[in-house]
Amino acid sequence: NAGVTQTPKFQVLKTGQSMTLQCAQDMNHEYMSWYRQDPGMGLRLIHYSVGAGITDQGEVPNGYNVSRSTTEDFPLRLLSAAPSQTSVYFCASSKTLGQANGYTFGSGTRLTVV
Amino acid sequence: SQQGEEDPQALSIQEGENATMNCSYKTSINNLQWYRQNSGRGLVHLILIRSNEREKHSGRLRVTLDTSKKSSSLLITASRAADTASYFCATDSNSGYALNFGKGTSLLVTP
Repeated sequence: NAGVTQTPKFQVLKTGQSMTLQCAQDMNHEYMSWYRQDPGMGLRLIHYSVGAGITDQGEVPNGYNVSRSTTEDFPLRLLSAAPSQTSVYFCASSKTLGQANGYTFGSGTRLTVV
Repeated sequence: SQQGEEDPQALSIQEGENATMNCSYKTSINNLQWYRQNSGRGLVHLILIRSNEREKHSGRLRVTLDTSKKSSSLLITASRAADTASYFCATDSNSGYALNFGKGTSLLVTP
């Protein structure tokens, strides 16, 4: 089924560990974004990409790295996990920014850092 | 900083009633979108309204946009228990390349 696939769905990390959250879409979308969702904070933009090889920072980029080597994949890397990074992470994609059917979201990765 | 702010934070109504949620934003936009999130799930796009539009309908949804007041409203008519979810407004960011979301309105529709 076409859509945005995020893996893993759940992850527990120890403080200081690193990991990569995977995001893949098969809709040939140029725009991809990573958000984190915390209780009472809504969704905050971490990093985004407007095409392969092009990435930029969002509102809360510290502690995260991204790369976009292909149109399909947009992984999010946590360099040294901290308890403050405990959150639910969503990846989203869109063909254009203002398309009528909006962004397509993945089902999320629930990350706990202990 | 986050662009949109929804109001109220929480809303509880009975089936059949209408639900109205409001969104205010800070800077000029190209379009405003509304999304729904069921508990534990990802966000689902509901409707997009462009800055040159004042009202848009989709099924039981009605969205209005007042760019002079930098505000939008989402009306869900004849609510159903299945409409229970969180609703978020989103605007294109200052860079124009990603969306900025508000904190959402939690809607509870009781049978």
